[in-house]
Formats: sequence, structure tokens, C-alpha cells
Amino acid sequence: EAQVTQNPRYLITVTGKKLTVTCSQNMNHEYMSWYRQDPGLGLRQIYYSMNVEVTDKGDVPEGYKVSRKEKRNFPLILESPSPNQTSLYFCASSSTGVAFFGQGTRLTVV
Amino acid sequence: AQKITQTQPGMFVQEKEAVTLDCTYDTSDQSYGLFWYKQPSSGEMIFLIYQGSYDEQNATEGRYSLNFQKARKSANLVISASQLGDSAMYFCAMREGSYNFNKFYFGSGTKLNVKP
Repeated sequence: EAQVTQNPRYLITVTGKKLTVTCSQNMNHEYMSWYRQDPGLGLRQIYYSMNVEVTDKGDVPEGYKVSRKEKRNFPLILESPSPNQTSLYFCASSSTGVAFFGQGTRLTVV
Repeated sequence: AQKITQTQPGMFVQEKEAVTLDCTYDTSDQSYGLFWYKQPSSGEMIFLIYQGSYDEQNATEGRYSLNFQKARKSANLVISASQLGDSAMYFCAMREGSYNFNKFYFGSGTKLNVKP
């Protein structure tokens, strides 16, 4: 089954404790992105990648890092999480059109 | 300026009736794509329908159709014969350009409630 898989689905962490949210897709898509969703703001792009070792900032990259060492994986790294990064996070992959989303990761930073 | 505007934060519709969710967009590109996604209370993002800027006919997918008015820069979603399972958040999105398949802009969403 074609899918984008994020882990974990839910995460509660403390301020300053580094964390990684994993994202994997099995559709051989070149393009992958991370978004955060906040009430009233829709989804905002954090980082995106056009292929292996090619990444770039989206609209809200501060406080986040990404890497794309393999085509299928695109982890999101929060080196020092803060409460304002409490949000619902989505990974997405696309080829030449529609973006397919993972199930979402609900992150709470206390 | 907002790239995607959804002016209806919440809407109610009676079961079996049709409903239109509004979306306007802003771009100077000639080539772009417009999308609608559904987000049920479980949280996942489900792709519903796509319209390309050069498509002359409105896109349809089952009970979903996209009313594309290029001159007005609007891409309204029409759901016919609403069902209780249609209750969800709906997001309009745009992808600009022909080559950057990464850059999607999303609206703030419309929460649709279908009443029995």
C-alpha cells in the first residue's frame, strides 16, 4: 500500500530535550516536505526536499532541522524544542502533482 | 497577501443537501494547481480533488466537484448530497508553478458540520 508513515503519532516532551520525528514514504517520490498545523493558520511549510541531499527552508523553518540522506526518509529534528513548537506536524511526499500526507504527529512541549 | 483565503471558518449543512465551500487564491503564475483536502477529527489529511490552471473543465470526483473560475481566482468545492461522514475540516491549497512540486500554500480551513 502506498503511504507516508510518520512516527511517533503522539509525543509529549520537555523544553530543550532534542527529538526527532521520522517520516518514510514508499512511493519513490522525489519531493518531501514538513508542515505544521496550528488553529486558524492552516498548514505552514517548515522545510522541503527536492531530492537526496537537497533541502531548503519553507515559511517557518526556525527551530527545526531536516536531512535527506535516502530518498524514502525525511526526518524532522528539533534540537531544543520550546513550547511554541507545540503543534500538529505533517510530513508529505509528492511526485508531479498531489501531495500525500502522513497521519500526523501531535507534539506537546512542556 | 494571503495566497489562499477561506472566508468561512465554520458551516452547517443538512444531510443530503449540497454545500459550497469557498476558496480564493492569489498568484501571478500562469501554471498552478488547486487542491482540496479533508481532515476528519482523527487528524489525517485526505486528498479530495485537483484542478490544474490549464484545465478547461471543472474537476469532479464522485460527490465532489471544483467550481473553477479563473478570472475571479476562485476554486470553490461543491459537495453534493452531504453525508454525516462529510463532517470535517476542509482545506483549500495551491501549488504554484510547473516545476516546484514541493511548495503548497494552504488556507486556514472551513469546518463543515453535517446535521441529520
